[in-house]
Amino acid sequence: AQSVAQPEDQVNVAEGNPLTVKCTYSVSGNPYLFWYVQYPNRGLQFLLKYITGDNLVKGSYGFEAEFNKSQTSFHLKKPSALVSDSALYFCAVRGAYSGNTPLVFGKGTRLSVIA
Amino acid sequence: GAVVSQHPSWVICKSGTSVKIECRSLDFQATTMFWYRQFPKQSLMLMATSNEGSKATYEQGVEKDKFLINHASLTLSTLTVTSAHPEDSSFYICSARRQGETNEQFFGPGTRLTVL
Repeated sequence: AQSVAQPEDQVNVAEGNPLTVKCTYSVSGNPYLFWYVQYPNRGLQFLLKYITGDNLVKGSYGFEAEFNKSQTSFHLKKPSALVSDSALYFCAVRGAYSGNTPLVFGKGTRLSVIA
Repeated sequence: GAVVSQHPSWVICKSGTSVKIECRSLDFQATTMFWYRQFPKQSLMLMATSNEGSKATYEQGVEKDKFLINHASLTLSTLTVTSAHPEDSSFYICSARRQGETNEQFFGPGTRLTVL
């Protein structure tokens, strides 16, 4: 079975400081990993994905994530947080060879960037 | 490319009525679409997998007679909430799978349903 854990319900960071939102996963075989952001009353916005290749993935709005196979992690990072980054962040996973299996989402982490 | 639309974006209805939500893949064909439900401040929970030309596969605990799914074409899936009740109020998000090397999913903007 596939699963995603986002251990933090809430992350608070000061504007200009680096931010990290944690994600660990469990899947059979190689994973496809995704990060999405959701603003209030809006749908999901795609940030970045890891399919294969370099472990460090760069995405939208200055975000990046590092795939760590040994730790089964895919933490989201940004060097300098903006107040506008305040939102709900979801990590998602599916197995690379899982056929028609849909993405499984973590419970989400609310990021609050304080000016 | 890979745009998914949903209609309506929000709907308010009276208890006991039925509501239909449409999900369209605008620039690709999707043999498989997924319907998720999201309660306030919670994660997305998969409701069902919709396959073009066949019956949907529902997740455990989801009433198939209440949440009717039709995937009549390669670009359209519909979710009908029948005899809606206030507890059905939620944010419904569809996702379409684009066939290819990674079979990536693309998400619609969501539909906010409020049942009075």
